[in-house]
Amino acid sequence: GDSVTQMEGPVTLSEEAFLTINCTYTATGYPSLFWYVQYPGEGLQLLLKATKADDKGSNKGFEATYRKETTSFHLEKGSVQVSDSAVYFCALNFNKFYFGSGTKLNVKP
Amino acid sequence: DAGVIQSPRHEVTEMGQEVTLRCKLISGHNSLFWYRQTMMRGLELLIYFNNNVPIDDSGMPEDRFSAKMPNASFSTLKIQPSEPRDSAVYFCASSPIGTGGGGANVLTFGAGSRLTVL
Repeated sequence: GDSVTQMEGPVTLSEEAFLTINCTYTATGYPSLFWYVQYPGEGLQLLLKATKADDKGSNKGFEATYRKETTSFHLEKGSVQVSDSAVYFCALNFNKFYFGSGTKLNVKP
Repeated sequence: DAGVIQSPRHEVTEMGQEVTLRCKLISGHNSLFWYRQTMMRGLELLIYFNNNVPIDDSGMPEDRFSAKMPNASFSTLKIQPSEPRDSAVYFCASSPIGTGGGGANVLTFGAGSRLTVL
């Protein structure tokens, strides 16, 4: 069945460091892929999405490229800020939404 | 638009009591999802509706849980009787059209209802 696997956290970085959070997926069809972010005490918010192979989603300095050949959708940011501290969820949607287990990011000043 | 609105934001109750969580969808959205989030199990889909009809309730843990959508803009999730293991954050989410076909439908989440059962 369809599923999403993302790297376990927590990930701890210093401010201005480069961020990568790995996400791979398994799908029977051609899903859309998403990254959601959850700040403490809040619901999940859409961060970015990509709907087909080779699409790049981007928002707030974050980006992820839909790689069909490696079934991946890794999240990257060139320079993280303390305000980026949150839990990040990778997700896919084909017939149903599937979420990864979430990766907690801690950014220290 | 005010977004997906959930109430109550926090609920503390005693084991055996009935709990009702409420959700108001975004106007124009016709798919509604209930999720539960815990540290141990992460984010779990409990049930989802398309056009007020339950499509998949395979995630509902047991008969103590029930969900309804009495109209196009409102849903309730009821737990009766509640147990301490039901303690979690319950999220409601909506999307503009039904899932399917590799769609780019985006789920919009509410802020959640934190339930504590003592």
